[in-house]
Parts: sequence; structure tokens; C-alpha cells
Amino acid sequence: SQTIHQWPATLVQPVGSPLSLECTVEGTSNPNLYWYRQAAGRGLQLLFYSVGIGQISSEVPQNLSASRPQDRQFILSSKKLLLSDSGFYLCAWSQLGGKQPQHFGDGTRLSIL
Amino acid sequence: GESVGLHLPTLSVQEGDNSIINCAYSNSASDYFIWYKQESGKGPQFIIDIRSNMDKRQGQRVTVLLNKTVKHLSLQIAATQPGDSAVYFCAATDNYGQNFVFGPGTRLSVLP
Repeated sequence: SQTIHQWPATLVQPVGSPLSLECTVEGTSNPNLYWYRQAAGRGLQLLFYSVGIGQISSEVPQNLSASRPQDRQFILSSKKLLLSDSGFYLCAWSQLGGKQPQHFGDGTRLSIL
Repeated sequence: GESVGLHLPTLSVQEGDNSIINCAYSNSASDYFIWYKQESGKGPQFIIDIRSNMDKRQGQRVTVLLNKTVKHLSLQIAATQPGDSAVYFCAATDNYGQNFVFGPGTRLSVLP
């Protein structure tokens, strides 16, 4: 069966520091991969998605970037964190192609001080 | 822009009763819908999905109803249990059919 792993579960970082959140998927090949941010009381906001290695689409302008160095690895990064980057970040995968359910990891709670 | 919303932010039900959670979507081009359950501190968990060529789909203790005419989706949970307490939200495909628009969620509380 397929599993998705995100780490770390929680992270506290100072303003201006770099960020690297990692997500890996097991048990499937060529998945679509996604990074979301979830704000309290609001719907999930899609940040990035990827349909293949090195292929990244950005949905909103922001202080973050994403990379997909391997088929089942998705990384969310920042060179200098802002206070507004605080939030709950979720990684998800789906089978290649449209109209497939997305399956989520357990997220990273990021607090910027 | 596209939006997906829910009729109630919170819902309290007695244990053993049936729960109904509603969702309205704005994009008439949406053709695939998913309900998720999210427990505190965890990621959303897939519950059930439905495509636009159907108006009803049943799973274990859950039923999703789709009314494309009024762009409305509902999730029914039979014999609600304490373990059902969570935030439930729906998702609908966007204009391009590739990604989803997610609603903000309804918090379901099950009373003993």
C-alpha cells in the first residue's frame, strides 16, 4: 500500500532563517505531488504541484519554493522565512492524471518567531 | 473566483444519531468531488468521492449526495460515533479539472 511521510512534525524557526520541509511517498511510481498551506478556519491553499521530476508549478506568489529531485520526493524551501510563513503545511500525492483523490501526510506545524 | 463553502462551521450531534454535513460549490464545471476528515494535528483523510455522472454513492456508514442543479454536496454519517468527531471538508475540481478547491470545513462534535 502507499504511504506518505512528512517531516518534521513541528518546527520553530527564527525570522530570516532558511527552511526545508521534506515529503516522500512510498508504494507508487510517478505520482503527482502537492504542497498546501492550511490556515485556521480556511480551506487548503495550493502552493505548488508537480507532475514529474524537476517539474514544478507554482500557484501563488510567495516566499517559498519547491523542488522534486526524485520521483517520490518533494521538498518545500525558503531562503529567508517571514513571520507570515507560519502555518500548517501539508504534502499530498495522487495517481498521475486528473480526477484522482489526493492523499495527505500528517503535516508540519511551522512557527516563525 | 471559484469557491467551495459549507453551510455550518460547527455541528453537534448525539452519539448514535445521523449527521449531515453540507457543502456548496460555485463552479458548474466541477465534475469530481471528495470528502475528507481531519482530526486535530493530522492531515486530511480521504472518506469518499463522487463523480458528476452519479448523484449518490455509499461507503461504510457514509453516503455522499450530489445535486448538480444547485451545486450542492452532502455527507451523511450513519450512527455517529465519538470517533467521528473531526473537521470535515469537501473538495471540488477546479476549472482545469486537475486540482481542487477546498472548503473551510465543518467541525463535527459528537455528544455522549
